This record gives sequence, C-alpha cells and structure tokens, in this order.
Amino acid sequence: SAVISQKPSRDICQRGTSLTIQCQVDSQVTMMFWYRQQPGQSLTLIATANQGSEATYESGFVIDKFPISRPNLTFSTLTVSNMSPEDSSIYLCSVRFAVNTEAFFGQGTRLTVV
Amino acid sequence: QQQVKQSPQSLIVQKGGISIINCAYENTAFDYFPWYQQFPGKGPALLIAIRPDVSEKKEGRFTISFNKSAKQFSLHIMDSQPGDSATYFCAASYSGGSNYKLTFGKGTLLTVNP
Repeated sequence: SAVISQKPSRDICQRGTSLTIQCQVDSQVTMMFWYRQQPGQSLTLIATANQGSEATYESGFVIDKFPISRPNLTFSTLTVSNMSPEDSSIYLCSVRFAVNTEAFFGQGTRLTVV
Repeated sequence: QQQVKQSPQSLIVQKGGISIINCAYENTAFDYFPWYQQFPGKGPALLIAIRPDVSEKKEGRFTISFNKSAKQFSLHIMDSQPGDSATYFCAASYSGGSNYKLTFGKGTLLTVNP
C-alpha cells in the first residue's frame, strides 16, 4: 500500500497567481498521476508525472498551465499557473506500483480562485 | 469521447436493500476494472476490482459482475448500510504499452436511507 500526503489541503488564491501542490509518497512508486475533480464530478487526468523527464499531458492540458516536476520516485509537484476562477477544483495526486494494480489517492487539494 | 459510461448518476436505497451500479466500456483492450468509493473530502479508495478472465468477484457485501461480450460490468452492494453512502466510480485500464492510466466513469452518488 501507499500513504500519500498532499499539501496544501486547501487554499484560496487570487486570480493571476500560481499555486504549487506537493505530493509525497511513503514509498517509491513507478507511476504518479495528477487528476482534477470538480465538486460532484468525475476525475479527469491532467498528466502522468515521469521521473527524470517531462510529464505526459492529456488532451486539453498543457505544460505552461500545469507544470509538473518529479525529481525522484517519492515526490512530485503540480503548479497551477496564472489561475482563473475556472481553475477552482480539487486536485488529486495518485500513484500505482505496477500496471493494472490498485491506484492510491491523496486526500486532495481544494483550490478556490477568487 | 467517454470510454466508460456509468449509470445511474444517483441512487437512493433503503437500509438492507441492494444497490446496483452499472458501467459499460468501449475499448476492448481494457483488462482491469476497479470500483472506487469516495467519501466527501477524501480521495477515492479501491473497493474491489476484477479482471476479464472471471465473470464475478465477491468481497463481503460487494460483488462485481462482468460480461465481456456485452462490455459491461456492475457493482452490487448487498444489505446496503447508511455507511455505504458515498460516490462510487467505475474505472478501466489496460496493460498494453506504457499507458498505465485509469479511465473513470462519471460516478454514482449513493444514498442509503436508515
């Protein structure tokens, strides 16, 4: 299993600013992912965080808006840049140890942009 | 393109009743089908998962039924309890290549009345 710590748990930010969300895992993991979840909605994959290389972004998400770092096998950050109210959402970090195995999720970061 | 379609969007069941949530998928390459449970303010947590080599898997009060030919799978919650009230997501992934991401359904909000 994996224990995921996400920071911050929530934040209220001014439009035009940026927020960096941290994801720390208690063990080395192969795969790390970042999701966005609007309240009451499903999970939308933003990108796969690749250790030592650029993240792989899903359609509709770009690196300039959501830069991701993954310096090692236990840590990743997601930055939400130049925020607008439309970025208000819950951002979730997720990890998997191997293909077609359980995905573990952090508690999420609830972001409100005003 | 929504690759995993989930229904119903919401479900109200009386305590002791059976809750049934259905999902249908399009990509025949999918070979791993998990169900996740999410409580408010928490990240999703794996409830039960199935692979297409079996038609049914049971864990306690939770059962997955899988129909490969129809490309459908469902979650049955027997003897539903108020503590089961949560949002349930079906998902799918496949083991081919380097794509380890999960594709989620839109979710079902289950309410179990006492």
